[in-house]
Amino acid sequence: ETGVTQTPRHLVMGMTNKKSLKCEQHLGHNAMYWYKQSAKKPLELMFVYNFKEQTENNSVPSRFSPECPNSSHLFLHLHTLQPEDSALYLCASSQAAGLWDEKLFFGSGTQLSVL
Amino acid sequence: QQQVKQSPQSLIVQKGGISIINCAYENTAFDYFPWYQQFPGKGPALLIAIRPDVSEKKEGRFTISFNKSAKQFSLHIMDSQPGDSATYFCAASTQGAQKLVFGQGTRLTINP
Repeated sequence: ETGVTQTPRHLVMGMTNKKSLKCEQHLGHNAMYWYKQSAKKPLELMFVYNFKEQTENNSVPSRFSPECPNSSHLFLHLHTLQPEDSALYLCASSQAAGLWDEKLFFGSGTQLSVL
Repeated sequence: QQQVKQSPQSLIVQKGGISIINCAYENTAFDYFPWYQQFPGKGPALLIAIRPDVSEKKEGRFTISFNKSAKQFSLHIMDSQPGDSATYFCAASTQGAQKLVFGQGTRLTINP
């Protein structure tokens, strides 16, 4: 296992379904992130966790619910989504060492389609 | 104020040529400007980054040029290769990696 692993790679769900996205990092990092990548739009930061505590919620609708049980794992729980929520959801991690040039390490993402 | 505007949306360059992607920002509090590279089916990966106290940073064939007064920065890829074909994102932040604001991306194609 290397870097940041996301599962599943692809997910199709109906608007009434409940599903969860999983992210695991093997880098010993202490910060984890969820980003949304839609076609023709910039990458959007959704949530940030530092040392398991949520430090950023970028006005994300409550139908997206993050969970960070430890510094290595991050989940995004989904319920009653809308078709416009279809996108690539990217997980990332970083050291959280406060360095100016701290790198974000991204997973390959979960491609979500909401029908 | 928080936006980073990136251009062009797509770019085609011949092998061996110079690829240039530009970004502009408004928030003068931004103090960290990275570029990320994304290949199809993969997440973005950090390519090179700069702080506003320098005007240029070079790593191999990749160079960031930074113009603080114009609030613009650009990525130059020298001797562009087909393997450089990817989507490139500029970004800016006031808190390092923690609050990156990304540009819309540029799809770069290098023709052999």
